[in-house]
Amino acid sequence: TQLLEQSPQFLSIQEGENLTVYCNSSSVFSSLQWYRQEPGEGPVLLVTVVTGGEVKKLKRLTFQFGDARKDSSLHITAAQPGDTGLYLCAGATGGTSYGKLTFGQGTILTVHP
Amino acid sequence: GAGVSQSPSNKVTEKGKDVELRCDPISGHTALYWYRQSLGQGLEFLIYFQGNSAPDKSGLPSDRFSAERTGGSVSTLTIQRTQQEDSAVYLCASSLFQGGNQPQHFGDGTRLSIL
Repeated sequence: TQLLEQSPQFLSIQEGENLTVYCNSSSVFSSLQWYRQEPGEGPVLLVTVVTGGEVKKLKRLTFQFGDARKDSSLHITAAQPGDTGLYLCAGATGGTSYGKLTFGQGTILTVHP
Repeated sequence: GAGVSQSPSNKVTEKGKDVELRCDPISGHTALYWYRQSLGQGLEFLIYFQGNSAPDKSGLPSDRFSAERTGGSVSTLTIQRTQQEDSAVYLCASSLFQGGNQPQHFGDGTRLSIL
């Protein structure tokens, strides 16, 4: 069984602070996706990283895929209350021909004004 | 609408009853996935369809769970003889093609409560 350990599980910060969420595994993933989920809704894809060492930026969010494709991080700069939500990492296995995702347990982020 | 549609949005039933959950994927999407999410937790993979075939059923928790997909479109997840531990949000996702790089588009889920 491939597991993704996501940390921290809970994060409560003030507006303007920076934060990093980590996603680690002993397994290699062909790609890794980050999702954000709001209460009562399904997850929404933020980014997909596929190459070891890859860094992608989405406004104030920076995503990194580890060189060995076993870990990833999400860094948010100058967090805003609108960033509040559940952040999920998900690793894909079986190569590019297969789409099964293994999800981390999620990080509940609360940004206080 | 253009997104993944799930029905019902909420379902409350008594222990021992059967339930059917429906998923309408985005038109043209060939791959369809079912996940289960407990309160505030990550998603647990249940089953995956490519067209009408289910290459991977490994996540189904027991033989009380089954799913089918017809016409390469609508899918139904059936839980027989429901138990209290089946209470969760059941999420469906679809993607244009199968593959780990494909973004999965999620519905808003069915919140199932077993009394």
